[in-house]
Amino acid sequence: TQLLEQSPQFLSIQEGENLTVYCNSSSVFSSLQWYRQEPGEGPVLLVTVVTGGEVKKLKRLTFQFGDARKDSSLHITAAQPGDTGLYLCAGEDGYNKLIFGAGTRLAVHP
Amino acid sequence: DVKVTQSSRYLVKRTGEKVFLECVQDMDHENMFWYRQDPGLGLRLIYFSYDVKMKEKGDIPEGYSVSREKKERFSLILESASTNQTSMYLCASASNPGDGEQYFGPGTRLTVT
Repeated sequence: TQLLEQSPQFLSIQEGENLTVYCNSSSVFSSLQWYRQEPGEGPVLLVTVVTGGEVKKLKRLTFQFGDARKDSSLHITAAQPGDTGLYLCAGEDGYNKLIFGAGTRLAVHP
Repeated sequence: DVKVTQSSRYLVKRTGEKVFLECVQDMDHENMFWYRQDPGLGLRLIYFSYDVKMKEKGDIPEGYSVSREKKERFSLILESASTNQTSMYLCASASNPGDGEQYFGPGTRLTVT
């Protein structure tokens, strides 16, 4: 069974701090997705990483896919209160279905 | 703009009731999905559909059924609601399920008492 483990589960920081969250698996994925879910809403796709070692940047967010395509990280620079939410990683299981991690809940305080 | 809508944001039902959750997408996507989301467990796939009148079981189909009579509409049915089905239910659609890009509705928070 493929599993995606995310760490940390919870993160509470002050505005302006940097942070990194992780998504790890023992399985190889053809691609990994990162979603953000705000309270009371459904997840929204942030990025897809496909190639081992790939780095993608989305403003203050930097996403990296591990060389072996088993893990990924999300780094946020100078976090803002608007970054508050649940960050989910997901990977396609080879049968056109997504497997989701349990998520990292981020709170950024002014 | 892409849109997935769900019939209710909040729902309270009694044990044993039959519950219908409806999802509509306006993107002409062939693929639609129902998930439930529980704290610490992430999103778990209940059922999905690749086409009209087609359905496939996900990871946790027990106690649920689905219906897809039209391309844009995918319904989740709880035949006899139980308290352990209290959860957030999320519907999603995708043009290509293999690429990981799914569009989600806002969710229905269902409480079964």
